Amino acid sequence: NAGVTQTPKFQVLKTGQSMTLQCAQDMNHEYMSWYRQDPGMGLRLIHYSVGAGITDQGEVPNGYNVSRSTTEDFPLRLLSAAPSQTSVYFCASSRSQASSYEQYFGPGTRLTVT
Amino acid sequence: KQEVTQIPAALSVPEGENLVLNCSFTDSAIYNLQWFRQDPGKGLTSLLLIQSSQREQTSGRLNASLDKSSGRSTLYIAASQPGDSATYLCAVRHAGANSKLTFGKGITLSVRP
Repeated sequence: NAGVTQTPKFQVLKTGQSMTLQCAQDMNHEYMSWYRQDPGMGLRLIHYSVGAGITDQGEVPNGYNVSRSTTEDFPLRLLSAAPSQTSVYFCASSRSQASSYEQYFGPGTRLTVT
Repeated sequence: KQEVTQIPAALSVPEGENLVLNCSFTDSAIYNLQWFRQDPGKGLTSLLLIQSSQREQTSGRLNASLDKSSGRSTLYIAASQPGDSATYLCAVRHAGANSKLTFGKGITLSVRP
């Protein structure tokens, strides 16, 4: 198993541009989520999904969209990038929302918005 | 609102020392607590997961304990090595609607040869 994979590893955007961060897992996990990690703030939940076709907002959802058309993929879309979205983005997955299963994290995408 | 605290933010120890990293949380309604390791510029690697009904978990030189009633967890590292140098994060998974993880800000450990 590859686990949780994320692409790209690095990205530089100009203010106002849009892009999609890709996340995929091959463990047949129901629960997937996106976090951002900022210095001094720790990791914060952006959006999450408890299964294909179901998504919901986390703590810091503004400026981001998600969809979950398959169990494997959970892309994160930045609609109009802003410098405040400069961060490291991590995708995570877990077997189920309701059960006490371990969460697995991808390697991260480092995004800089100029 | 759940808050997770890890103090101190940084720790430097000589090689071979046994050490304890602390984590405290304010709301005991959790599914589990997970300890992660993060190397600079890298992702998070899961070290240990303790369910809310458990008291401790062990993996190699690592032992994590959980005291839900007092809102505390410790990560014990035996016979520390320079390769243990990294940032250690604890995270609690909520027993709520979105089962999100709330993270502490981490403890950056440096083990001196």
